[in-house]
Amino acid sequence: KAGVTQTPRYLIKTRGQQVTLSCSPISGHRSVSWYQQTPGQGLQFLFEYFSETQRNKGNFPGRFSGRQFSNSRSEMNVSTLELGDSALYLCASSLGQGKIDTQYFGPGTRLTVL
Amino acid sequence: AQSVSQHNHHVILSEAASLELGCNYSYGGTVNLFWYVQYPGQHLQLLLKYFSGDPLVKGIKGFEAEFIKSKFSFNLRKPSVQWSDTAEYFCAVNEETGANNLFFGTGTRLTVIP
Repeated sequence: KAGVTQTPRYLIKTRGQQVTLSCSPISGHRSVSWYQQTPGQGLQFLFEYFSETQRNKGNFPGRFSGRQFSNSRSEMNVSTLELGDSALYLCASSLGQGKIDTQYFGPGTRLTVL
Repeated sequence: AQSVSQHNHHVILSEAASLELGCNYSYGGTVNLFWYVQYPGQHLQLLLKYFSGDPLVKGIKGFEAEFIKSKFSFNLRKPSVQWSDTAEYFCAVNEETGANNLFFGTGTRLTVIP
C-alpha cells in the first residue's frame, strides 16, 4: 500500500500571503489529521477530518483551516501568513473508527515564510 | 489538557550500549500510547504502540516499551543500540475518548557513536 503523500514538499511564501497544502491518505483511511512541527513548540495538533467533517480541533487561530474531500484527500490552508508559521506541516492518516486507532505520517511540507 | 514529558533531550551512546528513554504523561484516564521515530531526512515512523493487555510491548528493530499505569510512564528500551538507531524519538499519547489527536513529547535525540 502506498503511504501518506503530501504536496508540495517545500514552499516559500512571504508574510501576508496564503498557502494551501495537500495530503493524500493511505487507501482505505478515512481520517486525516494535521500537525505543525517547530523546533520551539514541537509537534502540535491542528485538526482532524473524518468523512469530510472536522472532528477535532487544536488550539490554533482561525487563519488555519482545512477541508476533506469525498475521496478522503485533505487540504490545509493558512491565510495571512506570519513569520511564526514557518514549520514542517505533517499529515497523518488512520482508519478513524473506534477508540483504538493508529496514525501514519507523511513526509511533511516544509513551509518557510519570509 | 494532556501533557507528555520526555526528560532526556539528547542522549549519546556507544554502539552495543543499552538504551532507555523516559516518557511520562498526565492524563488519568484510559490512554493509547505510541513511540514514533524520525530518522535523519525521513518522516515519522511508528515504532510501537500500546492499547491494552500486556504492558510490555515489542516493536520494530528490537525496541520495546513498558507501560506502568501507576507511574503514568511508557519508557522505551533497547538492549543494544546500533549506529543506525541514530534518530529522534517521540512519545505520543492519545486519550481514549474517540478524539483522534495525539499529544507529543518534545522528543529525544539519540546519537549512537560507532
